[in-house]
Amino acid sequence: DTAVSQTPKYLVTQMGNDKSIKCEQNLGHDTMYWYKQDSKKFLKIMFSYNNKELIINETVPNRFSPKSPDKAHLNLHINSLELGDSAVYFCASSQMTGNNSPLHFGNGTRLTVT
Amino acid sequence: DAKTTQPPSMDCAEGRAANLPCNHSTISGNEYVYWYRQIHSQGPQYIIHGLKNNETNEMASLIITEDRKSSTLILPHATLRDTAVYYCIVLINDYKLSFGAGTTVT
Repeated sequence: DTAVSQTPKYLVTQMGNDKSIKCEQNLGHDTMYWYKQDSKKFLKIMFSYNNKELIINETVPNRFSPKSPDKAHLNLHINSLELGDSAVYFCASSQMTGNNSPLHFGNGTRLTVT
Repeated sequence: DAKTTQPPSMDCAEGRAANLPCNHSTISGNEYVYWYRQIHSQGPQYIIHGLKNNETNEMASLIITEDRKSSTLILPHATLRDTAVYYCIVLINDYKLSFGAGTTVT
């Protein structure tokens, strides 16, 4: 039983294309997140949704558009892909907002833009 | 969020306890100490967290000093499957969880 699942696991595409990454959690959590891990392995938050409402947008270009159709899903759509978008993208969820609620991560989507 | 300092790498003998230190001298009173780890090609995995008291779960123990300026993650019986990068994070708001370089444990 995968708690947080992302698809696809690998995504190779050309500059200028539009692509989407899907995320689903079956933990019954209220809050979901997208993180980006760069080549130096630093992990930084991009977006956070609570009960389908956007609550955090960390200076991410507006080419990135998250969409949450329901509490269990948070998808990430990327327009006009650039070389610098190549990274591993992680979806995560937590039971509630705040600092006493651990995050549960998916296994990541490795995006390669050529 | 308070910054943390961890050694870049550690070697541990299988079957022995692994003690991973973390300094967080600028931690404020309501910031939690979290530990995650990332095994190669997988997503980060939550290990344990605490505020003031020492904590223990099925994976590890967390020892926080009385002044809260440092902590130690203890893996009681390290195995090959514990090889990973271990991240110590302190934060006031889980939204802005960000990971630095961590400690690579072999």
